[in-house]
Order: sequence, then structure tokens, then C-alpha cells
Amino acid sequence: GNSVTQMEGPVTLSEEAFLTINCTYTATGYPSLFWYVQYPGEGLQLLLKATKADDKGSNKGFEATYRKETTSFHLEKGSVQVSDSAVYFCALSDPPGGYNKLIFGAGTRLAVHP
Amino acid sequence: EAGVTQFPSHSVIEKGQTVTLRCDPISGHDNLYWYRRVMGKEIKFLLHFVKESKQDESGMPNNRFLAERTGGTYSTLKVQPAELEDSGVYFCASSQGGLAGDTGELFFGEGSRLTVL
Repeated sequence: GNSVTQMEGPVTLSEEAFLTINCTYTATGYPSLFWYVQYPGEGLQLLLKATKADDKGSNKGFEATYRKETTSFHLEKGSVQVSDSAVYFCALSDPPGGYNKLIFGAGTRLAVHP
Repeated sequence: EAGVTQFPSHSVIEKGQTVTLRCDPISGHDNLYWYRRVMGKEIKFLLHFVKESKQDESGMPNNRFLAERTGGTYSTLKVQPAELEDSGVYFCASSQGGLAGDTGELFFGEGSRLTVL
């Protein structure tokens, strides 16, 4: 079945460091891909998405590119801030043509220190 | 505008007891979803309502779980009787659309943490 695999956390970085959180997926067809973020004490919120191969989603300095050939959607940010500390979830849509269900990875906790 | 709200934020019960979780979606959102995260693992889909109808309940673990959405507004998720493995965080989410062409963005509540002792 469809699935999402994320790198295990926690990821601990100093402020202004470069961030990569790896995400790979297994799916039939061409799903849409998402990154959701959960800040402390809040619900999950959509960070960015990409709907087809080679699309790049971006928001708040974060980017991720839909790589069909490597079935990946890695999250990157050039310079992290303390306020980026949160849990990040990679997800894909199931079925591929709709958004009725999302399949999530296990989440990666990011801690950024001053 | 109010976001998705969930009650209670944390519930501690003993095995065999009953718990009812409530979700109030964003006003006007026809689609309502329940998800669960157990022991820091992946967030798993439980079911999807379109208005008051169950569109997909393929993720419901067993018949101890009962979800309702009376009148197509708020939803409840009842666990009866609760077992140890039911412990986790139950998330509710809502969206305006749900089919191809929608933004695909789900709006999540903060979750209800259930601890079964």
C-alpha cells in the first residue's frame, strides 16, 4: 500500500544552520505531496505542497521539490530560526487524484537552539 | 474565524471505560476527518465525513470505535470499551472541498490526547 517514510528525529540545529528533512514515498499513480507542521500547543497546519512531478512547493523560507524519479519530497531551509522548532510531517494524498485521505509519515521533531 | 476545536484536550480513563471525543469543524466545512497518532508514530486516517454521511471509514480499527456527525456539524468519536492500545492523540480536521480540484489543505485541531490505564 501507499506509505511515507521520514528521517527519524529529533533533529537539533543551531540558529542559521541549513535544514534538510528527508521524505520518501511509495504510491501508485501520482499523488500530491505535502509538508505539514505542528508547532507546540497547536494543531497541524499546511506548510507547503506540490501536485505534480518537478513542482516545487515553498513557504516561509522552506522548500521541497516533487522528485518522481527518486520518489522523494525532501524539506529544506537555508537558515533556520528558533521559531522553526516544531514537528514536521510529510504526507501524500490517497487516492492520487483527490484529497479525501492523507497518508502521513511518523513526523520529525526539529529543535533549533540560539 | 474560529478554527477546528476539539474536546477534551486530554482524557485519562481506565481500561473498559468509555470515552467520547468531540470535534467542532470550521463553520461551513462539509468535510470532517478523524486521524490518530499512536506512540509518536505516523498519523493514521480513521474516517471521513461529508456532511453527515460517512464517506470512508476504512481506517476505523474495530467496532469499539463509533463516529457520528449529527446534522453535519460537530462530530463525536466514541471508544467503548477502551483498551490500552487505544491510547494516543486523536486529531480532527476539516476542509471545504475534498475532491480533486480542491486545495487539499486540511485544517487540524490541536488533538485530544487519550490515555488508557
